[in-house]
Amino acid sequence: GENVEQHPSTLSVQEGDSAVIKCTYSDSASNYFPWYKQELGKGPQLIIDIRSNVGEKKDQRIAVTLNKTAKHFSLHITETQPEDSAVYFCAAEGDGKLTFGQGTILTVHP
Amino acid sequence: DAGITQSPRHKVTETGTPVTLRCHQTENHRYMYWYRQDPGHGLRLIHYSYGVKDTDKGEVSDGYSVSRSKTEDFLLTLESATSSQTSVYFCAISESPGGNTGELFFGEGSRLTVL
Repeated sequence: GENVEQHPSTLSVQEGDSAVIKCTYSDSASNYFPWYKQELGKGPQLIIDIRSNVGEKKDQRIAVTLNKTAKHFSLHITETQPEDSAVYFCAAEGDGKLTFGQGTILTVHP
Repeated sequence: DAGITQSPRHKVTETGTPVTLRCHQTENHRYMYWYRQDPGHGLRLIHYSYGVKDTDKGEVSDGYSVSRSKTEDFLLTLESATSSQTSVYFCAISESPGGNTGELFFGEGSRLTVL
């Protein structure tokens, strides 16, 4: 089955800095890669996703890049704000199921 | 917010007792999932359903069973709870398999402690 590795497990930045979270996956047949944000005490929510026919996608301060050859994808958050503090999960869809990475705890210090 | 309700939200039980967690949706989505969340492991799929009475195992299904007798309800049962099943359990729903043409909507979680 699919295996997704996510790094780093924790990330601490100053407000205004950029944050990058990286993931690798194992199944070359996977073609859908979403990112979810989980705030304290809540369930994860989709923030951005990318499909295998696209190399990069942006939505305001958030961008995701995908390298299918190397089987890795990354989340980039620019101009971080304290409200970006949360747990972030990458995922890869294979065989109709999502496999999630281990999560990254992002802390943005004012 | 997607209409997903998990119950109970918190439960403490003893080893060896049966436990049932309920997920109720008002969105009429076909696909429903149970995940568990543990530090260092992220979200791991326990079981999922692709329709009424149609279910399948995920990557960590041992010790768990599920049932779906109606579109709106997906039950997760621990027949004999063990301390290793202490976790936060999330139900999710989607219109497409794996959310690959939309998104997975998650409930707010059920925190289970097995003593």
